[in-house]
Amino acid sequence: AQSVSQHNHHVILSEAASLELGCNYSYGGTVNLFWYVQYPGQHLQLLLKYFSGDPLVKGIKGFEAEFIKSKFSFNLRKPSVQWSDTAEYFCAVNVGNFNKFYFGSGTKLNVKP
Amino acid sequence: SQTIHQWPATLVQPVGSPLSLECTVEGTSNPNLYWYRQAAGRGLQLLFYSVGIGQISSEVPQNLSASRPQDRQFILSSKKLLLSDSGFYLCAWRAGLASPQTQYFGPGTRLLVL
Repeated sequence: AQSVSQHNHHVILSEAASLELGCNYSYGGTVNLFWYVQYPGQHLQLLLKYFSGDPLVKGIKGFEAEFIKSKFSFNLRKPSVQWSDTAEYFCAVNVGNFNKFYFGSGTKLNVKP
Repeated sequence: SQTIHQWPATLVQPVGSPLSLECTVEGTSNPNLYWYRQAAGRGLQLLFYSVGIGQISSEVPQNLSASRPQDRQFILSSKKLLLSDSGFYLCAWRAGLASPQTQYFGPGTRLLVL
């Protein structure tokens, strides 16, 4: 069965620290990959996505992610986090006929000012 | 532009009572529609999805059912709620195209079953 793993469940960083959140998936076919963010009290919103092309994708608010097909990974990065990045981050995979999405368990990021 | 609505925002129901959560999408036609349950530490669990009116795919066996009576309306129901049905329910939509598309989420309904 397809699965998405986010190994970091809770990350605490100080402002200006660098961030990398791991995401691994288990699916051998074509995948489309997403990172979503949920700020406290707000909707889930799209951070960035990968469909094809350059495996290094840039999203909103200075986030980027790199698709490494050989490692089945799509890790999220930001060189310098801000207090406003405090949120929960979800990795998602869209497989097969594009109808189904599978989400990881989420990573709660707490950035200390 | 497209918008997605869910109501109610919060619901407290007794065990054994029925449930009806509604989701509507504006500004698009023939969307794919989804119901998820979000539980702390468990991410989003896909419950149902629909690619058209009257077409429902269930992902996990459970006490819930879904219906799509209109193109842009998706309803999550239960005849008798269980304590374990408590959670945060999210509706989402995606353009109904046979190509990669982004999924967009509604504000969610927090359900507490007592």
